[in-house]
Amino acid sequence: KAGVTQTPRYLIKTRGQQVTLSCSPISGHRSVSWYQQTPGQGLQFLFEYFSETQRNKGNFPGRFSGRQFSNSRSEMNVSTLELGDSALYLCASSLAPTSSIYFGEGSWLTVV
Amino acid sequence: DQQVKQNSPSLSVQEGRISILNCDYTNSMFDYFLWYKKYPAEGPTFLISISSIKDKNEDGRFTVFLNKSAKHLSLHIVPSQPGDSAVYFCAASSQGNLIFGKGTKLSVKP
Repeated sequence: KAGVTQTPRYLIKTRGQQVTLSCSPISGHRSVSWYQQTPGQGLQFLFEYFSETQRNKGNFPGRFSGRQFSNSRSEMNVSTLELGDSALYLCASSLAPTSSIYFGEGSWLTVV
Repeated sequence: DQQVKQNSPSLSVQEGRISILNCDYTNSMFDYFLWYKKYPAEGPTFLISISSIKDKNEDGRFTVFLNKSAKHLSLHIVPSQPGDSAVYFCAASSQGNLIFGKGTKLSVKP
């Protein structure tokens, strides 16, 4: 069974640009959540989607947004990139919102 | 304010000995706790979990203890192996919302 797949794995963007990251959950999983990992802050919750609806949202500015499609695939978008947005962005999927979550390998974003 | 705290950023243990990783939380509404292990350049992988109605859960070399009155949980790894060297994240859940600690880097020396 394929795991959680995230694309792209690595990318470099310039300040002010926007970026879209993609996540394909494990087959059959309908819940997708996104996390940001930085050395100083550890793993921080961004948002969670279930059945195309955002269920929970972390404490991030409105520049961070996401969506989920009918096939459970999810995208997250960061607009007007700042240097501090450089981080590993992790996607996780689960059967349902309260089930154990399984992470992808993440997308490394560097903002220069 | 951090709801889930891992106060030790790093821990070094000799191979074969016990590793004890600690985690404190502040929100009494948390009802489910998990530990994840993360190797460099990889996503975290689920290790072990415990429901708030239990005080201990064991899976092979890994045991998680929960002390609700102290709002404290710990992960014991016995015996520790060099392959256990990784960053360990504690996470707490309330109504599906998962909050992570900042992680503890465990180094197991041969």
